Amino acid sequence: AQSVTQLDSQVPVFEEAPVELRCNYSSSVSVYLFWYVQYPNQGLQLLLKYLSGSTLVKGINGFEAEFNKSQTSFHLRKPSVHISDTAEYFCAVSGAGGFKTIFGAGTRLFVKA
Amino acid sequence: DAGVIQSPRHEVTEMGQEVTLRCKPISGHDYLFWYRQTMMRGLELLIYFNNNVPIDDSGMPEDRFSAKMPNASFSTLKIQPSEPRDSAVYFCASSRTGGYNEQFFGPGTRLTVL
Repeated sequence: AQSVTQLDSQVPVFEEAPVELRCNYSSSVSVYLFWYVQYPNQGLQLLLKYLSGSTLVKGINGFEAEFNKSQTSFHLRKPSVHISDTAEYFCAVSGAGGFKTIFGAGTRLFVKA
Repeated sequence: DAGVIQSPRHEVTEMGQEVTLRCKPISGHDYLFWYRQTMMRGLELLIYFNNNVPIDDSGMPEDRFSAKMPNASFSTLKIQPSEPRDSAVYFCASSRTGGYNEQFFGPGTRLTVL
């Protein structure tokens, strides 16, 4: 069975500051990892995903994430955030051969001016 | 592509009434998922279909909830009778076969049961 833990429920940060949203997962099989973003009153949309290969994955809007197998982590980072990055971010895991994606509880990023 | 389409976008109903939520997945996607999102419980998977067949409905909270997918381009989620605790945002999502494929979410239906 797989599970996802997002370590912070809320992250307040000032505009132009760097941010890291933390995600840990557990799985007994190889995994695919995702970060989704949900803007207010919208559905979730994909930010980036890790399937295999390079452990550093770049996504849209300047976000990137690093897959760390030994620490079973997939933290999301951005070097300089904008007000428009205010949203909820979901980490998700899917097992190789499986079709059910497990979502974390979400981290609400609040960017202040 | 138009993306995943959900209707209605907002629904306000009274306790005891039947509610039907509708979803049109992206053409060519063979997986369809129904989720419920609330502040208290976050994002919950209710049920998912593969090639129009329900695969896992273990997330459906009660017998009052039912879902159907009569063809590849249409699915419904029905609540009968509705209760105030069913108030939530309901999302439909679709994807192609393979755990490596992302899910594409619709805009959601905000349901309020008075």
